[in-house]
Amino acid sequence: AQSVSQHNHHVILSEAASLELGCNYSYGGTVNLFWYVQYPGQHLQLLLKYFSGDPLVKGIKGFEAEFIKSKFSFNLRKPSVQWSDTAEYFCAVGNSGYALNFGKGTSLLVTP
Amino acid sequence: GAGVSQTPSNKVTEKGKYVELRCDPISGHTALYWYRQSLGQGPEFLIYFQGTGAADDSGLPNDRFFAVRPEGSVSTLKIQRTERGDSAVYLCASKKQGDTEAFFGQGTRLTVV
Repeated sequence: AQSVSQHNHHVILSEAASLELGCNYSYGGTVNLFWYVQYPGQHLQLLLKYFSGDPLVKGIKGFEAEFIKSKFSFNLRKPSVQWSDTAEYFCAVGNSGYALNFGKGTSLLVTP
Repeated sequence: GAGVSQTPSNKVTEKGKYVELRCDPISGHTALYWYRQSLGQGPEFLIYFQGTGAADDSGLPNDRFFAVRPEGSVSTLKIQRTERGDSAVYLCASKKQGDTEAFFGQGTRLTVV
């Protein structure tokens, strides 16, 4: 069975700080990996996804993630966060039907 | 282009009652998913429809939970004999055939008192 582990549950950063959110998954087959974001009061939105090819994936709003197969990891990064990045971030693994198995989420607070 | 619409946005019900939660997917999206998100947790997969049929219902927690999608568009999640532990936000998502991105609705917050 697939499982997803997000290491950081709450992160507080100052504006312009760099961000890295950890995500590890356990699944033996081909993986489809996603990062979703949920801004306060809004619905879940896709930040980026990895299916195959270049393991460094670029998403919206300056986010990127790197798939490291040997470490079963798909960490999310952003070089310089903004106050508007305050949100809940979810890593997810998808199966062939793209039903998603989500991690518990990381709450990010960016202070001015 | 409207997004995924879920109604009601909030539902308070008494323990033991029956509830129905509705999801209107994006027009033309053949795949539809239901998830449940409890406080402090990530969304948990419940059921996946491809067209009218449930392609994967392995996430339904027990037989009190049932979902239908009779015409391949709107879906209803039905919960019988609700329990306090059913309190959560129920999320619906839809996806176009061949696409990889699923679009989520705002969810229905269910509170069982």
